[in-house]
Amino acid sequence: DVKVTQSSRYLVKRTGEKVFLECVQDMDHENMFWYRQDPGLGLRLIYFSYDVKMKEKGDIPEGYSVSREKKERFSLILESASTNQTSMYLCASSSDIAGANVLTFGAGSRLTVL
Amino acid sequence: GNSVTQMEGPVTLSEEAFLTINCTYTATGYPSLFWYVQYPGEGLQLLLKATKADDKGSNKGFEATYRKETTSFHLEKGSVQVSDSAVYFCALRRGNFNKFYFGSGTKLNVKP
Repeated sequence: DVKVTQSSRYLVKRTGEKVFLECVQDMDHENMFWYRQDPGLGLRLIYFSYDVKMKEKGDIPEGYSVSREKKERFSLILESASTNQTSMYLCASSSDIAGANVLTFGAGSRLTVL
Repeated sequence: GNSVTQMEGPVTLSEEAFLTINCTYTATGYPSLFWYVQYPGEGLQLLLKATKADDKGSNKGFEATYRKETTSFHLEKGSVQVSDSAVYFCALRRGNFNKFYFGSGTKLNVKP
């Protein structure tokens, strides 16, 4: 089974801190995604990557950056955390192979910014 | 543009009741359609999918039929269980890089 692992399930940070959320997938997927999930808003795409060192902005990239130095790892960076970035963050990956190009999600990282 | 609209919750049912969660979409071309489920404290899991018009996706007693004429993909189950309590997300895949678009989610509570 494809496994997507997010390094931290729960984080508490202070306003202005730099925050790193790490995500690793073990099935050689080409595409990786970061979403945030908020009540009533569903999932909103922050950034995605379709290849190593490649990144594309999603619908809400402001205040975030990403890094993909290796195929299996996709990091989300909050340069200066703010309280409105308190949320659940979900990492996902997918293959480009037809029929297998569904999203597989990690368990999520719940971030609280005080 | 591409978007998904699903019924707001929460939906509260008694065990063995019939479930319908409505989902409609707007998309260019011919999207693939999905239902994902999120159990408490977990990430999303794929429940079922359909890739072309009139396809029926099914899994764990849940079904959804891709209706192009009504741009819908409603989720149904004939007899829900307490263990089905979760948040259900409708989604479509379309466009460059196989981007996914999600609805806002519908919370289902099933009472014994």
